[in-house]
Amino acid sequence: GIQVEQSPPDLILQEGANSTLRCNFSDSVNNLQWFHQNPWGQLINLFYIPSGTKQNGRLSATTVATERYSLLYISSSQTTDSGVYFCAVGGYNNNDMRFGAGTRLTVKP
Amino acid sequence: NAGVTQNPKFQVLKTGQSMTLQCAQDMNHNSMYWYRQDPGMGLRLIYYSASEGTTDKGEVPNGYNVSRLNKREFSLRLESAAPSQTSVYFCASSEGTGGSGYGYTFGSGTRLTVV
Repeated sequence: GIQVEQSPPDLILQEGANSTLRCNFSDSVNNLQWFHQNPWGQLINLFYIPSGTKQNGRLSATTVATERYSLLYISSSQTTDSGVYFCAVGGYNNNDMRFGAGTRLTVKP
Repeated sequence: NAGVTQNPKFQVLKTGQSMTLQCAQDMNHNSMYWYRQDPGMGLRLIYYSASEGTTDKGEVPNGYNVSRLNKREFSLRLESAAPSQTSVYFCASSEGTGGSGYGYTFGSGTRLTVV
């Protein structure tokens, strides 16, 4: 199956700072999603982005499919942004999504 | 609109006991999935159902069985629980399967401990 690597594994920010999270994958994908798992364990879908760029408020994401990576940008971070961010990818020839190990983000007030 | 509902939210089992985790979605999605999440790790797919009447193994199917009861419901059964199955279990649904290009909606999870 497709291999997914996320970096950095841990990130600590002061409130108001910006950050970039990276997701590398090993093969062509037909599906790429970013999720936020909050401290209570709930998984929230942030973006469905197999290619191109999308923005939603302070969050944006870019996927460069030809170079097999995706970036999640968080601007003006808030304490509520804390949690784990997962990248998940699905290929053309498989019917399941593979998750990376996640980036744990801590935003300090 | 509840989305994806999982029951129970917490469960403690003794080794060798059996149980069924329930999952239901009200979004008329075709595909449903069961994942497990172990501490400090991402999610791993146990089984999925691309459409009503079909089920397929994922990355870690051993020790589990599933039933796609109808379009709304997808259950996961542990026939003889083992401590290695202590985990948080998530159910998800989507309009199509992972390779078809659709976003996933997750339930809130079931925290299972096997002692």
